Amino acid sequence: QKEVEQNSGPLSVPEGAIASLNCTYSDRGSQSFFWYRQYSGKSPELIMSIYSNGDKEDGRFTAQLNKASQYVSLLIRDSQPSDSATYLCAVNNNDMRFGAGTRLTVKP
Amino acid sequence: ETGVTQTPRHLVMGMTNKKSLKCEQHLGHNAMYWYKQSAKKPLELMFVYSLEERVENNSVPSRFSPECPNSSHLFLHLHTLQPEDSALYLCASSQYRDSGGPSTDTQYFGPGTRLTVL
Repeated sequence: QKEVEQNSGPLSVPEGAIASLNCTYSDRGSQSFFWYRQYSGKSPELIMSIYSNGDKEDGRFTAQLNKASQYVSLLIRDSQPSDSATYLCAVNNNDMRFGAGTRLTVKP
Repeated sequence: ETGVTQTPRHLVMGMTNKKSLKCEQHLGHNAMYWYKQSAKKPLELMFVYSLEERVENNSVPSRFSPECPNSSHLFLHLHTLQPEDSALYLCASSQYRDSGGPSTDTQYFGPGTRLTVL
């Protein structure tokens, strides 16, 4: 069983739509959760971190965490073509574990 | 600019060569990491150094040898690599909490070294 699981995609949404990215994890003791964005040929860059259940909003991005369901998601509102990238979910409980990433394409 | 730099950015080497990757962080962190990223696979943690001591080695082949001379610098020495070792090698740093508390702090990545083994 994969420790951090993401749908590999590609996920395609039209410009201006909401993109929804999902992630599940297996370690119930996980305490911190991160979303990274990685453009092709580049390194991951942090978008959001979330530590407690509920929603956390930062601009067009909202992270949602449900520890009971071992589920974390990222919503991108008003998607732009520049949001096209691979989004990595990461879960930390002394060790950082990454998902394989979901490739998002925003079409103009 | 993330505050974590890596050199070289690209490296092509033969299987008999010896080379080293370098990472430097300017964030005042006390933990540094080496990751391997292959196509369509999750990031694989290779080595973790906290306070300049190695705390984790995920059964990485001995042809990869890390070195951490101080909290700001990290090296990955490479020798007799195989073509399947071709990948993006990423360095990251964070503020690691000592025993008694988990490390919840964010890891910041360098730009990576694209390695090709012929």
